Amino acid sequence: GDSVTQMEGPVTLSEEAFLTINCTYTATGYPSLFWYVQYPGEGLQLLLKATKADDKGSNKGFEATYRKETTSFHLEKGSVQVSDSAVYFCALLIQGAQKLVFGQGTRLTINP
Amino acid sequence: GAGVSQSPSNKVTEKGKDVELRCDPISGHTALYWYRQSLGQGLEFLIYFQGNSAPDKSGLPSDRFSAERTGGSVSTLTIQRTQQEDSAVYLCASSPEGGNGKLFFGSGTQLSVL
Repeated sequence: GDSVTQMEGPVTLSEEAFLTINCTYTATGYPSLFWYVQYPGEGLQLLLKATKADDKGSNKGFEATYRKETTSFHLEKGSVQVSDSAVYFCALLIQGAQKLVFGQGTRLTINP
Repeated sequence: GAGVSQSPSNKVTEKGKDVELRCDPISGHTALYWYRQSLGQGLEFLIYFQGNSAPDKSGLPSDRFSAERTGGSVSTLTIQRTQQEDSAVYLCASSPEGGNGKLFFGSGTQLSVL
């Protein structure tokens, strides 16, 4: 069935470091792909999305490119800040449905 | 309200008791979702309501779990005869028609079954 696999956390980095959180998916057809973020004490919120192959989603300095050939949607940021500390979830939208399938989440901690 | 509201925020219950969790979605949103977030398990889809269509119940883990949505707005998730493995954060989300994966989540209900 359709599924999402994220790199295991937790991930701990220093401020201004480069961030990559890996995400790969298995799906029939061509899903839309998402990154959601859950800041401490807050609900999940959409960070960015891409709806077709080679699309790049971006927001708040984060980017992810929909790679059909490698079935991946890795999240990157060039210079992280303490305020980026959160749990990040990769997700896919099943084609023809409105049901999001989430990965297991990756906890990110940024130290000053 | 401005966002998705869930109540209670925390619920402690004894094994074998029934619990009801409530979700009040964003006004005008036609789609409503329930997910379960267990430690280290990510988000597990439970059930999805869209307008007046029959709900997608494919994620409910057992017949002890049920949900309803009255008047196309407020939803209640009921867990009967709770078990310790039901302990988790239960998240509700809503989305406008044609939301295409952009969900608005509530803060969740932390359920602890003793």
